Amino acid sequence: GENVEQHPSTLSVQEGDSAVIKCTYSDSASNYFPWYKQELGKRPQLIIDIRSNVGEKKDQRIAVTLNKTAKHFSLHITETQPEDSAVYFCAFYSSASKIIFGSGTRLSIRP
Amino acid sequence: GAVVSQHPSRVICKSGTSVKIECRSLDFQATTMFWYRQFPKQSLMLMATSNEGSKATYEQGVEKDKFLINHASLTLSTLTVTSAHPEDSSFYICSARQGAGKRTGNTIYFGEGSWLTVV
Repeated sequence: GENVEQHPSTLSVQEGDSAVIKCTYSDSASNYFPWYKQELGKRPQLIIDIRSNVGEKKDQRIAVTLNKTAKHFSLHITETQPEDSAVYFCAFYSSASKIIFGSGTRLSIRP
Repeated sequence: GAVVSQHPSRVICKSGTSVKIECRSLDFQATTMFWYRQFPKQSLMLMATSNEGSKATYEQGVEKDKFLINHASLTLSTLTVTSAHPEDSSFYICSARQGAGKRTGNTIYFGEGSWLTVV
């Protein structure tokens, strides 16, 4: 079936340190992998995405890596700041043209 | 970026009544819209895929007679929760895909979400 596993479910890091969230997907035909940030009671915001023809993409402090062979993709946030605290969801675009979300990671940045 | 508007943002209804939630793409045509439900501290669960001019495709376990979806135009999809019960209380959020056809990777834009409370 279509599913994606996301780890960890909660993550606490010291301000300034890096945070890494990992996802494993099931649909080998997937070729689009977005990451969303959601603050409580608000809509998910797309923060970065990657397509299967590249292995890594970076946007300032945020980077995403993709390993299609292993069906893994990861979000990397460097130099974390308090405003990075939120819930992060990985997702993939299934062969049925649906966005399937991971279970989410609650990231807390300690001052 | 493209804008998707969802209304109402919050609604309280009595048990047994129906409530309608609207999702509009304001500056693009959306042939496909998606409806999600999110319970507190949980992920977004896809309920159904709404296609303009045709019947919605529901995910397994979602009652199509309870959650009526209509996508009558390229800019509007509605979700009606019929005979609502307290367990239907949740955050409902729509998204719209910009771009036609089945090309994967077309950008998805989310509405603001609607908090439904059934009392």
